[in-house]
Amino acid sequence: KAGVTQTPRYLIKTRGQQVTLSCSPISGHRSVSWYQQTPGQGLQFLFEYFSETQRNKGNFPGRFSGRQFSNSRSEMNVSTLELGDSALYLCATSRVTNEKLFFGSGTQLSVL
Amino acid sequence: ELKVEQNPLFLSMQEGKNYTIYCNYSTTSDRLYWYRQDPGKSLESLFVLLSNGAVKQEGRLMASLDTKARLSTLHITAAVHDLSATYFCAVDGPMDSNYQLIWGAGTKLIIKP
Repeated sequence: KAGVTQTPRYLIKTRGQQVTLSCSPISGHRSVSWYQQTPGQGLQFLFEYFSETQRNKGNFPGRFSGRQFSNSRSEMNVSTLELGDSALYLCATSRVTNEKLFFGSGTQLSVL
Repeated sequence: ELKVEQNPLFLSMQEGKNYTIYCNYSTTSDRLYWYRQDPGKSLESLFVLLSNGAVKQEGRLMASLDTKARLSTLHITAAVHDLSATYFCAVDGPMDSNYQLIWGAGTKLIIKP
């Protein structure tokens, strides 16, 4: 079956712009989590959505937001980009919360 | 606050050797997970350990869980170059956090031919 699809794979933005990343989960997966990964900070949890509701949120500023649609696809948005937002953004999905996660290939965001 | 500590954080070893990565967590948790990340790639699930004394093996990797000691180990037997990757452990957080996963910092493993 198809895996977790994240788009786009690469993105270059400038400071102050906003960006939207997309994640399409495996069919039947209702939980979608987002992570930020940087060499210095490791893997940082952003938020989790389940059945269109945000279940958990990490310690990120309000510039980071997300949503989930009725077909379980999820988007995350970062507004007013800062240089420090440059990172690999990973989406992970599962049938229910914290069951074995399936990760997408990620979106590499560079903020110039 | 639940914390997950991995050690070592970096490990360079020769092919053919055995070694163990340790994952300690600070409070009770029901499940422990191991993931692998190849350089420049995404994460892949290796093992899900559900109970005390659980042991799972896949190829040259074996994971075990001791919930009383709050410790999981990932043992590598006769390492080969293809096992070079970063290995993460994670545990379920408490119920009042909706069991949000708590991640270790990762162990970067380099296996030299």
